[in-house]
Amino acid sequence: SAVISQKPSRDICQRGTSLTIQCQVDSQVTMMFWYRQQPGQSLTLIATANQGSEATYESGFVIDKFPISRPNLTFSTLTVSNMSPEDSSIYLCSVARGPNQPQHFGDGTRLSIL
Amino acid sequence: QKEVEQDPGPLSVPEGAIVSLNCTYSNSAFQYFMWYRQYSRKGPELLMYTYSSGNKEDGRFTAQVDKSSKYISLFIRDSQPSDSATYLCAMITSSNTGKLIFGQGTTLQVKP
Repeated sequence: SAVISQKPSRDICQRGTSLTIQCQVDSQVTMMFWYRQQPGQSLTLIATANQGSEATYESGFVIDKFPISRPNLTFSTLTVSNMSPEDSSIYLCSVARGPNQPQHFGDGTRLSIL
Repeated sequence: QKEVEQDPGPLSVPEGAIVSLNCTYSNSAFQYFMWYRQYSRKGPELLMYTYSSGNKEDGRFTAQVDKSSKYISLFIRDSQPSDSATYLCAMITSSNTGKLIFGQGTTLQVKP
């Protein structure tokens, strides 16, 4: 399976600032996804990062708050904008080789907002 | 009602026990079924991937899918303390979005 690297692994940020999380894959993949996971909770899909087109956002998530880039088939970024304490969470990226293929996950970025 | 229901536990068993983890779902369009294992401070790790109904075995792990009952299971034989983790079921419809629907996750502790 693909090796997925996320940076940073954790960060503590001030309210009102923005943070960009990077996701790098060691091979080309068709699909990349971004999730949020509260401690002790399951995963919630934020958006699907589409190469060459705009990301597809799930209900409750908007581009202004979570802009996503997907410049090529091995890299994506998620920005958490104008952060508030409610954005404190674990953010994970995942990849899949096709729509019916299993997703493989990075180890996540643990974000705390003061 | 959630699309996928999974008892969060926690589930505590002695080492060597057979563990049964289960999920039920409501959407008959789900065709692809997965089990992930997640250790603390790690991302989910794919354990099993199955298509439609039937059984699949991989070492100590067996996944079962019963589409008629909308019920999936993961069995762990000869459980080890290293199996202590959260287990998440996940499903995909046959659409081309690739969107995974997760259960809540079951926390398992295997005691030595």
